[in-house]
Amino acid sequence: DTAVSQTPKYLVTQMGNDKSIKCEQNLGHDTMYWYKQDSKKFLKIMFSYNNKELIINETVPNRFSPKSPDKAHLNLHINSLELGDSAVYFCATSAGQASSEQYFGPGTRLTVT
Amino acid sequence: GENVEQHPSTLSVQEGDSAVIKCTYSDSASNYFPWYKQELGKGPQLIIDIRSNVGEKKDQRIAVTLNKTAKHFSLHITETQPEDSAVYFCAAEYQAGTALIFGKGTTLSVSS
Repeated sequence: DTAVSQTPKYLVTQMGNDKSIKCEQNLGHDTMYWYKQDSKKFLKIMFSYNNKELIINETVPNRFSPKSPDKAHLNLHINSLELGDSAVYFCATSAGQASSEQYFGPGTRLTVT
Repeated sequence: GENVEQHPSTLSVQEGDSAVIKCTYSDSASNYFPWYKQELGKGPQLIIDIRSNVGEKKDQRIAVTLNKTAKHFSLHITETQPEDSAVYFCAAEYQAGTALIFGKGTTLSVSS
């Protein structure tokens, strides 16, 4: 069983569209995260959720909205996609705070044309 | 703001050599410092971590050292193998442990 899964793995879309990326974990972890990895491999935290509550919201445009329907899922919805949104998005989980091992999903490569 | 600097950005070694990657951090309140390995097309995976109450930790060919006074920590890989080729990220906790801030990564290439 995959511990942290993301769908889709690849997403190609046009500017202005709205899209969602789904994340599911079967580890029973309380904390989930979304990271953005740009073309230079820089990995940056976007959001952190603990028990379905938003803990961290870094300087991310309002067009990005995380949704956590339950502890096992943290989805990322993006409105009005822009060229600069092209990146690989990773979901991750940890059993407690960030100061414990984080388990990353396989990533979703988003390409905005 | 909080920052983690990582050097070098690329590192090429021969199989069997040692590799060292260094990081510095800015938040003196950080107490947790993990290292992640990212293989091509995959998500990062934890390989070793260290907390501020120890100065060194070793796991087979991998070791991490921490100097809290200087705010430095380093990853040491001995007897490198081609399968060690990957991107390595250091990280430090910040905001009271609610998040990790990552370094910009080191691309390690091990040639046989």
